[in-house]
Amino acid sequence: GEDVEQSLFLSVREGDSSVINCTYTDSSSTYLYWYKQEPGAGLQLLTYIFSNMDMKQDQRLTVLLNKKDKHLSLRIADTQTGDSAIYFCAETGNTDKLIFGTGTRLQVFP
Amino acid sequence: DTAVSQTPKYLVTQMGNDKSIKCEQNLGHDTMYWYKQDSKKFLKIMFSYNNKELIINETVPNRFSPKSPDKAHLNLHINSLELGDSAVYFCASSPPGTSMNEQFFGPGTRLTVL
Repeated sequence: GEDVEQSLFLSVREGDSSVINCTYTDSSSTYLYWYKQEPGAGLQLLTYIFSNMDMKQDQRLTVLLNKKDKHLSLRIADTQTGDSAIYFCAETGNTDKLIFGTGTRLQVFP
Repeated sequence: DTAVSQTPKYLVTQMGNDKSIKCEQNLGHDTMYWYKQDSKKFLKIMFSYNNKELIINETVPNRFSPKSPDKAHLNLHINSLELGDSAVYFCASSPPGTSMNEQFFGPGTRLTVL
């Protein structure tokens, strides 16, 4: 099946780290993605990881991939109020279409 | 501005009406998509066109008909609108020739069917 699961909500204090988790199903995905959706806007690609990598770091963002468990996570260091948004993980499997996760709403409070 | 644009941003209409949503991208991309995001924020692909040809057609009622007059435009026409069609519809596009499928999204069209 094409179920990409995420927890629905995460609330963190400003300055703390946030970790958003995702479980995907299709092990043939070449790339796995994290998209961000700010209120009232479309999605924007935040970062991605190639499936033969375990980790990718991009400034405050760290992506961890555990292929054996089909688990993907996004860590945001020093979380800011501007990071408040919905975060979607996505896979493609062996097709061209993106299968999005259920989305995690991150709320950052001062 | 180079971007994916959609019109209208908001659309409120009665059940049974027919409506269209327009999408244009000036990014020079070959592939365009329509997604539906429901009230719980679940996002599902509906259609994908590559260079004016339909390549993905998910299980969508045939009241929904995409039309691509050229590779920069992908419009969505919906006949006989139903309450369950209320959602935010996103258009997206992706560049050719890359294995990494980065998609660029429009701002969305919020459709409310009364």
